[in-house]
Amino acid sequence: RKEVEQDPGPFNVPEGATVAFNCTYSNSASQSFFWYRQDCRKEPKLLMSVYSSGNEDGRFTAQLNRASQYISLLIRDSKLSDSATYLCVVNKGGSARQLTFGSGTQLTVLP
Amino acid sequence: GAGVSQSPSNKVTEKGKDVELRCDPISGHTALYWYRQSLGQGLEFLIYFQGNSAPDKSGLPSDRFSAERTGGSVSTLTIQRTQQEDSAVYLCASSSQGKWGEQYFGPGTRLTVT
Repeated sequence: RKEVEQDPGPFNVPEGATVAFNCTYSNSASQSFFWYRQDCRKEPKLLMSVYSSGNEDGRFTAQLNRASQYISLLIRDSKLSDSATYLCVVNKGGSARQLTFGSGTQLTVLP
Repeated sequence: GAGVSQSPSNKVTEKGKDVELRCDPISGHTALYWYRQSLGQGLEFLIYFQGNSAPDKSGLPSDRFSAERTGGSVSTLTIQRTQQEDSAVYLCASSSQGKWGEQYFGPGTRLTVT
């Protein structure tokens, strides 16, 4: 079983749609969670950290369910510029500072 | 301010040759990471430097891979006797004290071993 699993997609949605991505992780000791985005042939960039209580940043909302070892990302009112691969990222466990990246979910927002 | 820079951007080398990849982290960032990403794959952790502490080398795939960080800043990843399976994009990232998970990535070095 992969340490971090994501639906690879692709998700093709029209502009303005709401889209949700899910991610599961295998290490119950993991304590730090993030979403990164990666544009085609570019480096990953931090989108947002994920906090236990859930957090929102503009059109983006992240949720964490520790009991189910599940992380989600919701994008509202999607824009063409949201087209990218979204990477679910989890630390190795406890206070370990090693990150494990999921393989990503590809999103294409269509005009 | 300046972001993370890496050089070269592209490197083509023959099987069996040694290569050195360079990373300049963001000034003041204490942590530096190396990852590699093969085509269509996720990022694979290689090595992590934090300040003056001993590096976490647990992700290095073989003893042909090594890295050093001089003066707490610039880092060099060396691959000896390259193999075709080493072909990948090698990414460097840095982060500031207390925000180690918020990593800033360089543009990567695309390594092709022929």
